[in-house]
Amino acid sequence: GAVVSQHPSRVICKSGTSVKIECRSLDFQATTMFWYRQFPKQSLMLMATSNEGSKATYEQGVEKDKFLINHASLTLSTLTVTSAHPEDSSFYICSALDRGLGNEQFFGPGTRLTVL
Amino acid sequence: GDSVTQMEGPVTLSEEAFLTINCTYTATGYPSLFWYVQYPGEGLQLLLKATKADDKGSNKGFEATYRKETTSFHLEKGSVQVSDSAVYFCAPSKAAGNKLTFGGGTRVLVKP
Repeated sequence: GAVVSQHPSRVICKSGTSVKIECRSLDFQATTMFWYRQFPKQSLMLMATSNEGSKATYEQGVEKDKFLINHASLTLSTLTVTSAHPEDSSFYICSALDRGLGNEQFFGPGTRLTVL
Repeated sequence: GDSVTQMEGPVTLSEEAFLTINCTYTATGYPSLFWYVQYPGEGLQLLLKATKADDKGSNKGFEATYRKETTSFHLEKGSVQVSDSAVYFCAPSKAAGNKLTFGGGTRVLVKP
């Protein structure tokens, strides 16, 4: 199946700093990618839909100025957590939509963010 | 909005036991239905799917049938293995936007 990578896999930062997480589709082009947040022992919560060449669509309650999404190419979407605070600590997961495979979503391995 | 209810885990089984994980959903329209699996330390992987009523999805010995009348998509496996230990997520998806709505996940632990 298609492969999606995320970088970094783990990041620790100080409160007030910004952190960028990359999501790449390695062997297919993805016009649409999704960003999720997963709390410990909980489900995935969709944060936003990232569309190549246009603005991301955020879910209700997600601060767009806090979580900046850029989908500048058909294989790369980035999520930047701005002015991170301890409550932003979480597991962030991206997925990429492969329209060539019946619109199946392929998930990245996730990024563990810890804000001190 | 759409929602998914999955049975809470953890579910602990012995090898070769029968596994059922219940999943019911509320959704407008007729979504496609998915089961994803997350093995320890790995990302989510699609386990199986069904795109219309009465369809049966199957993979790796797992099966689930799209039941429109009961809005359910229960996951079953007749004989589990230790390697099936993972977290399982039920997720309906709307055709428009392809958004997935995830259930809470069910952790399954299979003991030898």
